[in-house]
Amino acid sequence: DTGVSQNPRHKITKRGQNVTFRCDPISEHNRLYWYRQTLGQGPEFLTYFQNEAQLEKSRLLSDRFSAERPKGSFSTLEIQRTEQGDSAMYLCASSPLAGRQETQYFGPGTRLLVL
Amino acid sequence: AQTVTQSQPEMSVQEAETVTLSCTYDTSENNYYLFWYKQPPSRQMILVIRQEAYKQQNATENRFSVNFQKAAKSFSLKISDSQLGDTAMYFCALGGSRLTFGEGTQLTVNP
Repeated sequence: DTGVSQNPRHKITKRGQNVTFRCDPISEHNRLYWYRQTLGQGPEFLTYFQNEAQLEKSRLLSDRFSAERPKGSFSTLEIQRTEQGDSAMYLCASSPLAGRQETQYFGPGTRLLVL
Repeated sequence: AQTVTQSQPEMSVQEAETVTLSCTYDTSENNYYLFWYKQPPSRQMILVIRQEAYKQQNATENRFSVNFQKAAKSFSLKISDSQLGDTAMYFCALGGSRLTFGEGTQLTVNP
C-alpha cells in the first residue's frame, strides 16, 4: 500500500494562469476527496467522487475550479485564471467502499502560490 | 450545517505527561463519525483515532483515547505518556462523506 500521492508537491504560478493538480488514490479506494487548506486553518471540503461520478461539490468550488476522475482511478483538479486568493494547500484523500463512513486517508498535498 | 470548534489554538506538555485536547461539534445527524487527525510539520495528515457516534464505548488506540459525550456534543482527545514525536497540529473532524474540520490545536511536547 503506497498511500495517496499528489503531484506536483509545490506550484508557483502567476495570476491569471491555469494550473492542474493530480491525485492518485490508494489502490481500490473508490471514493476520492479534494480539500483546500489555508495557513492556520483546518481543511475545507471542495468535492468528492465515487468511482468516476462527482457526487458533491462545495459552494467553495467556483466556476474557475473543475475536478475530474475519468476512469475512476486518479483525479485532476484544475484552477483556471488563478487569483492570489487561490494560494493554499490542496489536499486529496481517498477511502474504501461506500456505504457506512470509511476513514479518509490523506495525501501530502500540493502547495499552490499565486503571485 | 455541521460545525466543529476547537477552543485551544495552542497547548504544550512536558514529555511523558498527559494532555487533553478539546473539541465540540454540532450536527443534526444521528449517525455520524468523529475523527482526530494529526498534521506534523511535514504537513501529511494522519489519522489518530476515530469514533462512531452509535458506539457508547470510547475509542482507544495505544496512548490515544477519546472522551465522547454525545449529549454534550463533546469529543476530547487524551494523549498519555506524551512523546516528542507527538508535536503537531491536531484537527478534530466530523463527517459523513464530507469531513468538517475544526481550526486545529498546535500541540508542542517539550523535552
